[in-house]
Amino acid sequence: EADIYQTPRYLVIGTGKKITLECSQTMGHDKMYWYQQDPGMELHLIHYSYGVNSTEKGDLSSESTVSRIRTEHFPLTLESARPSHTSQYLCASRVGAIGEQYFGPGTRLTVT
Amino acid sequence: QKEVEQDPGPLSVPEGAIVSLNCTYSNSAFQYFMWYRQYSRKGPELLMYTYSSGNKEDGRFTAQVDKSSKYISLFIRDSQPSDSATYLCAMSYNTDKLIFGTGTRLQVFP
Repeated sequence: EADIYQTPRYLVIGTGKKITLECSQTMGHDKMYWYQQDPGMELHLIHYSYGVNSTEKGDLSSESTVSRIRTEHFPLTLESARPSHTSQYLCASRVGAIGEQYFGPGTRLTVT
Repeated sequence: QKEVEQDPGPLSVPEGAIVSLNCTYSNSAFQYFMWYRQYSRKGPELLMYTYSSGNKEDGRFTAQVDKSSKYISLFIRDSQPSDSATYLCAMSYNTDKLIFGTGTRLQVFP
């Protein structure tokens, strides 16, 4: 069973606030991912990392930024939240060379 | 056209039924195929993983890949109310980035 954690689980915040969504995993996985998921829509990759000090933008353009200072930690930051950022954000990490990704429980963000 | 197409449902079946969930795809380079189950307000949970064509069975779940038709299926036998969830197919050609379907919402009623 994968051990990947996300906090907070739910966040309601006003427009213009800076927020950081936390993601951590205890499995020592090198590769980590952030996805955005809207109701009835597919998951879209917004950021990924192949290891410490490595970050890349995904297929879906996002105003968020990420950092990877430690293997186990992959936080996502929005400098100035807007209502268009309202969505569910899912963090995942990958095991070995086989390809499966394991997901955290998600953070449901609402920007008012 | 999306790379992966999946009927969003909802699909409603009685307990004990055999459920068939399907995805089609357009990119013949896909080699890795996965099915995830997602309960409401939870993250996706990996159910089945298949490389290339063929079948894979795990308990009540069977995954099939037909690369010639660009079609993958997940069968659930003896479906239970606890199987009620959204099922997402996902695939990849380089074992790294996954392309997801929109998910099929399944409801199994007692």
